[in-house]
Amino acid sequence: QKEVEQNSGPLSVPEGAIASLNCTYSDRGSQSFFWYRQYSGKSPELIMFIYSNGDKEDGRFTAQLNKASQYVSLLIRDSQPSDSATYLCAVNIAEYGNKLVFGAGTILRVKS
Amino acid sequence: DAGVIQSPRHEVTEMGQEVTLRCKPISGHDYLFWYRQTMMRGLELLIYFNNNVPIDDSGMPEDRFSAKMPNASFSTLKIQPSEPRDSAVYFCASSRGTGWGYGYTFGSGTRLTVV
Repeated sequence: QKEVEQNSGPLSVPEGAIASLNCTYSDRGSQSFFWYRQYSGKSPELIMFIYSNGDKEDGRFTAQLNKASQYVSLLIRDSQPSDSATYLCAVNIAEYGNKLVFGAGTILRVKS
Repeated sequence: DAGVIQSPRHEVTEMGQEVTLRCKPISGHDYLFWYRQTMMRGLELLIYFNNNVPIDDSGMPEDRFSAKMPNASFSTLKIQPSEPRDSAVYFCASSRGTGWGYGYTFGSGTRLTVV
């Protein structure tokens, strides 16, 4: 089992819809969880960080964490074509010295 | 803050040649990471340093790859001899720490093509 798993997509949503991106992780000891956005040809950019169970909102973005289910998600409300990118989930994995381990990423396409 | 600075942005080299990639981390960041990204394998951690000391190089694919960090503001990743399968985007990232709450800041990357 991979440490951090994401559906590769692509996930296609119409403009204005809610995009839901999901991530599962294997290490129950993980304490912090990150979402990065990567535009084609660019570097990953940190957009959200969450460590407590529940929701964390930042503008149109909401990160959701459920440690019991080892599940973290990212919701993007009012999706815009400019949100089209690959979204990478990253998790601190204790057995790897708390390094961030990245998922393979989910491609999001927002159609206008 | 200038962010993480990598050079060159693009490198095209012939098989068998030596390639050196360079990185300047964010000032005050004690951790530096070298990643490689390909379509097939995604983002792979090659090696990371803490306070200029290599901590974990288990991701370095083979002896052709080496990395150094002579001081807190400079690191290099060297491939010698280079092979076509080394073609990828190489990212450098830095962070204040690892563990709870420490995300990484990535540089713009070096796109390496070995022909």
